[in-house]
Amino acid sequence: DTEVTQTPKHLVMGMTNKKSLKCEQHMGHRAMYWYKQKAKKPPELMFVYSYEKLSINESVPSRFSPECPNSSLLNLHLHALQPEDSALYLCASSQASDRRIRYEQYFGPGTRLTVT
Amino acid sequence: AQKVTQAQTEISVVEKEDVTLDCVYETRDTTYYLFWYKQPPSGELVFLIRRNSFDEQNEISGRYSWNFQKSTSSFNFTITASQVVDSAVYFCALGAQKLVFGQGTRLTINP
Repeated sequence: DTEVTQTPKHLVMGMTNKKSLKCEQHMGHRAMYWYKQKAKKPPELMFVYSYEKLSINESVPSRFSPECPNSSLLNLHLHALQPEDSALYLCASSQASDRRIRYEQYFGPGTRLTVT
Repeated sequence: AQKVTQAQTEISVVEKEDVTLDCVYETRDTTYYLFWYKQPPSGELVFLIRRNSFDEQNEISGRYSWNFQKSTSSFNFTITASQVVDSAVYFCALGAQKLVFGQGTRLTINP
């Protein structure tokens, strides 16, 4: 089963709101990712978790706060966002890569976020 | 530095035509991985293929085929007898934990 699920599908929030995006996978993957994608652009990596530990933070503003409660779940907590943060947020998972082997990532359907 | 170039921003063909999407990459690594993903209008990126730098064998999967040439740093993707359902944005990517994506090629298959 190569499925990554994300909730909600759509989210509209004000700049003072606090909300969370959720991602779940049951493929036994030990690496999970958050990406941001603006219209007509490729996905941009935000965070990488490997074995439930944050391994990469691509200098993302602190108004985005990731959390990995266990190996199957990944959250992205949102607070005091700006209108320019409106985008498609994609979650992905993969087997944990090492120096020799790189594995493909499986993506969820995304959460389309609008900040008003 | 790693870089992926997909020079074709948009391609539009009529159904049943063959179409090739170009991908050129730059890397100083001797061992690397290349990927193709499809993003239909629904938004989800769908994994299509992974290729490592030691395996230059071309691959065919149904109507899809991939041509990997290290000599020209290219990893091109061909769809044979295209169908309307192939309409999507296609991304070529390089790397692993940090995927370096090309800008994508928007493919439209017209009935």
